[in-house]
Amino acid sequence: EAGVVQSPRYKIIEKKQPVAFWCNPISGHNTLYWYRQNLGQGPELLIRYENEEAVDDSQLPKDRFSAERLKGVDSTLKIQPAELGDSAVYLCASSSSGSTGELFFGEGSRLTVL
Amino acid sequence: GNSVTQMEGPVTLSEEAFLTINCTYTATGYPSLFWYVQYPGEGLQLLLKATKADDKGSNKGFEATYRKETTSFHLEKGSVQVSDSAVYFCALSQHTGNQFYFGTGTSLTVIP
Repeated sequence: EAGVVQSPRYKIIEKKQPVAFWCNPISGHNTLYWYRQNLGQGPELLIRYENEEAVDDSQLPKDRFSAERLKGVDSTLKIQPAELGDSAVYLCASSSSGSTGELFFGEGSRLTVL
Repeated sequence: GNSVTQMEGPVTLSEEAFLTINCTYTATGYPSLFWYVQYPGEGLQLLLKATKADDKGSNKGFEATYRKETTSFHLEKGSVQVSDSAVYFCALSQHTGNQFYFGTGTSLTVIP
């Protein structure tokens, strides 16, 4: 069974440019998470989806970040415009509702903003 | 609120040494507790978990016991190997709402 797939793995952009990250969760997982992981820190939640509904986006900087999960499967996280402080690893994770709570993570997308 | 505090690293050990990484938590209700591991260049993966007080999670020689009285979930391994070099994250989740909270991670390096 395929795991959580993310792309791109690496992205280098200049500040003020847009960037988008894509995530394909494990088949059948209806909960999808986007986390940001700064160097030397733990993952911090940006947004959580239950199917296609964003049920927790309180930590998403909505002035520049947006996300969508059309049809409740794949998801895209966008930053526009990017700032220097957005340099981080963006992690996607999924889980199955009703499980004992294990998260399955993708390998992450490392963003460097110059 | 909910939070996880784990010992700061980095931790460097010789092969076959005993490992302890401390983790304490603050939570409302009765959370589940987890240890995730992140090997170099990879995503986080579940190492072990415990869903109620006094449960012991174990995997790959690692163990952690859910201690409600001390709000702790310390990770231990009796004899570490070079292949255990990674970053270890303690985490909790609330059963309601699929909300997860992670510690800042502890980097472990095991030298031959």
